[in-house]
Amino acid sequence: KQEVTQIPAALSVPEGENLVLNCSFTDSAIYNLQWFRQDPGKGLTSLLLIQSSQREQTSGRLNASLDKSSGRSTLYIAASQPGDSATYLCAVSGGYQKVTFGTGTKLQVIP
Amino acid sequence: GAVVSQHPSWVICKSGTSVKIECRSLDFQATTMFWYRQFPKQSLMLMATSNEGSKATYEQGVEKDKFLINHASLTLSTLTVTSAHPEDSSFYICSAPSASGRGRAGELFFGEGSRLTVL
Repeated sequence: KQEVTQIPAALSVPEGENLVLNCSFTDSAIYNLQWFRQDPGKGLTSLLLIQSSQREQTSGRLNASLDKSSGRSTLYIAASQPGDSATYLCAVSGGYQKVTFGTGTKLQVIP
Repeated sequence: GAVVSQHPSWVICKSGTSVKIECRSLDFQATTMFWYRQFPKQSLMLMATSNEGSKATYEQGVEKDKFLINHASLTLSTLTVTSAHPEDSSFYICSAPSASGRGRAGELFFGEGSRLTVL
């Protein structure tokens, strides 16, 4: 059974800092990995999708990497802004669109 | 813009009543949709997979008679919480996988979620 863990559970940083969120998974036989953002009381917004054959994806200030063999992914946020404050979830797909979500990292960027 | 629409965004009901939540894929067809439940400060847990034209597939521990799922068209899936009780209060989110011409392979699109409060 796939298990997905995110560290840290919560993070508070001053505006402008670069930061890294971590996601680890136990079963490396994945189809893809997706990073989402969730604002309080809201649904999920897709940030980046990395296919199993890829090593990283970039979108603006966000960069996600994937190391399948070690069961790890990182989400790098450059020059953080208060608007980045949210909970970040990683989700691992093991095929048949069966997705396992991580525990989430709650980020607060302080102005 | 949103590609999956969920309605209502919040609902409050009395114990014993039934509540229906709709999930629609906008401008693309979704033969499969997923329903998740999220408890406060916890991650999402898959409840069931909704299949157009056939029965839903429920995850272990999810009562199919309590959570009725109907996927009558290629763009609409509904989740009905029957005889709701306070312990059913939660945040319910649906998702649909990307389809031809919409999104990247394997990408999941999520609705805005529906917060159910049962008094």
